[in-house]
Amino acid sequence: EPEVTQTPSHQVTQMGQEVILRCVPISNHLYFYWYRQILGQKVEFLVSFYNNEISEKSEIFDDQFSVERPDGSNFTLKIRSTKLEDSAMYFCASSEIWGDEKLFFGSGTQLSVL
Amino acid sequence: SQQGEEDPQALSIQEGENATMNCSYKTSINNLQWYRQNSGRGLVHLILIRSNEREKHSGRLRVTLDTSKKSSSLLITASRAADTASYFCATVVMNRDDKIIFGKGTRLHILP
Repeated sequence: EPEVTQTPSHQVTQMGQEVILRCVPISNHLYFYWYRQILGQKVEFLVSFYNNEISEKSEIFDDQFSVERPDGSNFTLKIRSTKLEDSAMYFCASSEIWGDEKLFFGSGTQLSVL
Repeated sequence: SQQGEEDPQALSIQEGENATMNCSYKTSINNLQWYRQNSGRGLVHLILIRSNEREKHSGRLRVTLDTSKKSSSLLITASRAADTASYFCATVVMNRDDKIIFGKGTRLHILP
């Protein structure tokens, strides 16, 4: 079965450093999402992306965050200057159809900001 | 306040029993989905119910949707140890297909 892959599985960084989280969505999917989950808490929407543009973003997704689809396969989330409170599990997801179809999630990147 | 809120927050039942989890939401929706998350892993889609549907089945899963009460329930029948996981409802807000909102989840523990 096709799957969404995320790398790395764990990322440790110093506060103030830039991190890039990488995702390879399922190849025929057109809609991409980033979510995050602080340990044991709710899964929070960050951003949705379609046709090389951000479609929707949450209040969490401030100027420190950016997303990019640099080529035909990768979808990245960049945090420019990490804060302690950015520590969380970050999930990438993709879907074939806008909102009316299930999301396929990757296994996540656990980001630890020290 | 949350768009989707599950209750209970945690549920422990004996293997073989049925487990029922509930989800309430606040705005009109296009559809509601249930996902499962095993500890430390990504979410896996279980079932989707559209706003014009009232009940849906998939194997041991039964989902109901009451749009007048803005609530849904997920029933897992004849529970197994492998059903131990967190379960999340996710809502697709009407006319906002680009934002799928998850609740806090119900942690289900199946006792042997």
